[in-house]
Amino acid sequence: DIQMTQSPSSLSASVGDRVTITCRASQRISSYLNWYQQKPGRAPKVLIYAASNLQSGVPSRFRGSGSGTDFTLTISSLQPEDFATYFCQQSFGTPSTFGPGTKVDIK
Amino acid sequence: EVQVLESGGGLVQPGGSLRLSCAVSGATSGIYGLTWVRQVPGKGLEWVSDIGGSGGSTHYADSVTGRFTVSRDSSIDMFYLQLNSLRAEDTAVYYCAIVADYNSFNWFDPWGQGTLVTVSS
Repeated sequence: DIQMTQSPSSLSASVGDRVTITCRASQRISSYLNWYQQKPGRAPKVLIYAASNLQSGVPSRFRGSGSGTDFTLTISSLQPEDFATYFCQQSFGTPSTFGPGTKVDIK
Repeated sequence: EVQVLESGGGLVQPGGSLRLSCAVSGATSGIYGLTWVRQVPGKGLEWVSDIGGSGGSTHYADSVTGRFTVSRDSSIDMFYLQLNSLRAEDTAVYYCAIVADYNSFNWFDPWGQGTLVTVSS
């Protein structure tokens, strides 16, 4: 199975901050990488698919980049509604696997 | 707007069975795949199973192979996950989600609200 890691596991930030979350795959997965946001008690919601494609309706402050094994999710200016946990997911191989998540909370 | 809604969760004893249902509404095309993902409260996401657009292909995580079965009734846009021989470690919120795809890439969207399965005596 392809293992996914994320860093950091958590971070504290302020509204307006630029936030960067990284995700690494244990083998090359081309651009088969998705990012999800999950708020407490809610289902995950896709933000970015195929590494860099913004899902319809998602604010443009979210940006995904990377290819191969290393990927990044950047939030250009953190907003109050962005405090949540973020997961990456590879869809290159079966089983699909998720990273352990990065919790973003208020500083 | 496509929506999915799970049901069927609950409390079951170890070794017991449960059938989860996932109702899909608003889909304009009948050809889409569906996945099941579970999450122990407060923990990460674990892919469990999926079923292809035609219903002919199914996949399972090693942890549930031989115990869980995914199926669909395309005539009524319903999907099912049959959970047998349940163990304490199967306790989780179970989500269903549509497998969206484009040019060989796929992702899960939208997701249902989840249904809690608790395996305990």
